[in-house]
Order: sequence, then C-alpha cells, then structure tokens
Amino acid sequence: DAGVIQSPRHEVTEMGQEVTLRCKPISGHNSLFWYRQTMMRGLELLIYFNNNVPIDDSGMPEDRFSAKMPNASFSTLKIQPSEPRDSAVYFCASSLYGAGEGKLFFGSGTQLSVL
Amino acid sequence: AQSVTQLDSQVPVFEEAPVELRCNYSSSVSVYLFWYVQYPNQGLQLLLKYLSGSTLVKGINGFEAEFNKSQTSFHLRKPSVHISDTAEYFCAVSDSGGSNYKLTFGKGTLLTVNP
Repeated sequence: DAGVIQSPRHEVTEMGQEVTLRCKPISGHNSLFWYRQTMMRGLELLIYFNNNVPIDDSGMPEDRFSAKMPNASFSTLKIQPSEPRDSAVYFCASSLYGAGEGKLFFGSGTQLSVL
Repeated sequence: AQSVTQLDSQVPVFEEAPVELRCNYSSSVSVYLFWYVQYPNQGLQLLLKYLSGSTLVKGINGFEAEFNKSQTSFHLRKPSVHISDTAEYFCAVSDSGGSNYKLTFGKGTLLTVNP
C-alpha cells in the first residue's frame, strides 16, 4: 500500500489567496483526520471524518477553513482567504475503525507558507 | 479534556547510551496512551500504545514505555540508542470512551543521537 498521500508537499501563496490541500487515505480505512502542526501550538486536530461524514469539526479555526470528503478515497482542506497565521504543516491521517487504538497512519504533510 | 506535557523539548544523547523521554498527562477519565515518532520530513508513525493490561508496553525499534497511573506518566525508554533513532517523539492521549478518536498530542521531544 502506498500509504496516505498528500499533495502538494509544499505550498507558497500570498495572503488572500485560496489554498486547497488534498489527501488520499489508505484504501479500506474509514476514518480520516486533518491535523495542523505549528511550533507554538503543536499538533491540533482540525476535523475528523468517519465513513465520509464529518463527525467533529470543532478544531477548525474559523469559517475560512472548510473540509470535504466526497468519497472514501479523497478529502480536501480549503482555506479561503488565506492569512500568514495559517502557515503550518498540515497532516492528513487515516485509520481503520476510528482512532480508538491510536493506529493512525499519517501522510508526509503539506508545508504551507502564506506570505 | 485531556492534556499532555512532555517535559523536555530536546534530549541529546550519545550513541549506545540509554534514554528516557518523559510524558505526563492529565485527564478526568480513563485514557489510552501512545507514543509516535516523526522522522525528518515525514508524517508520524505509531511507536507503541497502552490500552489496558500490562503497564509495560513494548514497541517497535526496541522502545518500551511504562504506564504509571498514580503518577499520571507514560515515559518512553530505550536501553541503547542508535544514530537512526534521531527524530521527534510525541506522546499522545485519548479518552477510552466515546470520543476516543480525539488524540491530544504533546509538543514533542527532539531526540538527537550523537556519535
């Protein structure tokens, strides 16, 4: 299995632009997570999908952030408009049967820089 | 709500020396505990986990951790480290009940193994 695939690996954009991050989870996994990693706040859960349905989006910072999972093999995280404080590494992770046993498989992340 | 404190942000050690990375947590409910490792430019990988049973858990690459409920700790140990163990290590906690999908991560400990 190729693992969790995220694209792009790096994204540099200007403030006010729309940014779309993409994730392909491991085939057969029914849970998908988006995390954000910063030096100040560490790893934060943004949103959790189970069977393509958003279960918990309480970590989404504000309305500028949105996430979708149109099918079991694809998810997007969109930021519109982007701001410099959104600069971070964004990770997608997938798992079988939620994260109750902690076995999340992480992608390599998208390094986002908003200038 | 849970929280995780990793007491050391950086731990430098020499090759073949023992190492202990410290983790304390707080929670009002029963928990599951995890250690993840992040190699440079990669996503996180599960190293080991405690769900129940024996308080000493063994993981990959010769690492082990001990759950101490009275001290609310879950320290990670390895008796002899290798250069290849250089990475960032994250302790994480989730509650063992209905919202166990939500992993709360510590800020991480950067382990640097020097020759």
